[in-house]
Amino acid sequence: DTGVSQDPRHKITKRGQNVTFRCDPISEHNRLYWYRQTLGQGPEFLTYFQNEAQLEKSRLLSDRFSAERPKGSFSTLEIQRTEQGDSAMYLCASEPSSGNTIYFGEGSWLTVV
Amino acid sequence: LAKTTQPISMDSYEGQEVNITCSHNNIATNDYITWYQQFPSQGPRFIIQGYKTKVTNEVASLFIPADRKSSTLSLPRVSLSDTAVYYCLVGDRGSTLGRLYFGRGTQLTVWP
Repeated sequence: DTGVSQDPRHKITKRGQNVTFRCDPISEHNRLYWYRQTLGQGPEFLTYFQNEAQLEKSRLLSDRFSAERPKGSFSTLEIQRTEQGDSAMYLCASEPSSGNTIYFGEGSWLTVV
Repeated sequence: LAKTTQPISMDSYEGQEVNITCSHNNIATNDYITWYQQFPSQGPRFIIQGYKTKVTNEVASLFIPADRKSSTLSLPRVSLSDTAVYYCLVGDRGSTLGRLYFGRGTQLTVWP
């Protein structure tokens, strides 16, 4: 499968714990995006990388959230001191430099109990 | 970035043609219109993209009038498996594409 891969698909954690999600984009896609999606809502943009550079962050990305993309390949999204309001699906997407369209992964579900 | 307005939900029966209209009054000259489909617990999947007039692929057709202030996604002869949320996005292709406004989309339910 050469699509966008996300891991883990599901994560249940206790409030206050840290969690990390990983995204492997489609090979040679230089743009990578993270989104958050809650029930009944569409995906909301969180942050965007071009290669290894993080070029934009949404105001939704509080200081408990951090994203990295070392070497411009895979990316990680870490949430520190999780809160119940962080429960959502976290989607990763990648885009080729031609910019025709973006391709989404299957998402990582987070449940904070 | 241009925001869009689409119906919250639509119902149809198997075998019928479904047309979902999206309003985007503030569309800019360089903006394209892109539709995504999302099944429960999955990421959105690209369906079709267009700039003007009509675009057709193996899955759907996209009709865009001359003023480009709206667009219509047409799904021919829907089946139960077309039950999903459909999102209309408007924006410039390139670095802004991934920062588009998804909104709540249109929940299409196909009945037997």
